[in-house]
Amino acid sequence: DTGVSQNPRHKITKRGQNVTFRCDPISEHNRLYWYRQTLGQGPEFLTYFQNEAQLEKSRLLSDRFSAERPKGSFSTLEIQRTEQGDSAMYLCASSYLSGPECYEQYFGPGTRLTVT
Amino acid sequence: KQEVTQIPAALSVPEGENLVLNCSFTDSAIYNLQWFRQDPGKGLTSLLLIQSSQREQTSGRLNASLDKSSGRSTLYIAASQPGDSATYLCAVRRSGTYKYIFGTGTRLKVLA
Repeated sequence: DTGVSQNPRHKITKRGQNVTFRCDPISEHNRLYWYRQTLGQGPEFLTYFQNEAQLEKSRLLSDRFSAERPKGSFSTLEIQRTEQGDSAMYLCASSYLSGPECYEQYFGPGTRLTVT
Repeated sequence: KQEVTQIPAALSVPEGENLVLNCSFTDSAIYNLQWFRQDPGKGLTSLLLIQSSQREQTSGRLNASLDKSSGRSTLYIAASQPGDSATYLCAVRRSGTYKYIFGTGTRLKVLA
C-alpha cells in the first residue's frame, strides 16, 4: 500500500466552472476526512466519512460543496460554480477505527486548486 | 468553540540544539491530539498521536506531552538536524465530534 492518493494534484479552472477531486484512502481505513488549507494557515475541516456515511460536515461548507464516498472506498469532493475564494489546497486524510481506539490520520499530497 | 494556538510562529536554531514547540487549546474536553510536520507544498506527515488518557508519547528524537487541564501540549525535538526544517502543526479532536481543529503551525528552520 502506497498511502493516501489524491487526483489531480493541480487544477486550474475559471470562475463559475465545476471541479471534482478524488481521494483514495489506505485500503483498510474506514475513516476519511477532507480539509482545505490556504497559505500560512493550518488545515480547516470540511467533512468526515465513516465507511460510506457522511457523519459530520463543517458549517463553513456552502451548498456549492458536496462530498461522497460510495461503497466506503474512494471519495470525491465536488465544488460547483467555483469562486476565487475557493483557491486553496484540498487535503484528504484517512484513519482506521477499531473499537474504542482511534488511530492517527494519514494525509494525501493534496490537490491544489487555482480559480482564475 | 475550540481554538488552537501555536507559539512561536517561526523559529530558527543552529543544528544540534534541543527545542520545544508549544500548542495550546481552549477547550480541555478533547479526545486526542496529534502532531504533524508539513514540508512546503506537500501534505502532512503524522508524527505523534496522544490519546486524552495519555500524558506523553515518544518516537525517536521526538517527545510530545499533553496536559489537558491546562490546555497545553509540547513537542520536544532533541538534537535538531537540518532535515527537521518544516512547519509543525498540532491538531485536537474535541470529545463528541469527529472534527479536528488545527493550529496555524510553527515554521522551523534548522541551520547547518
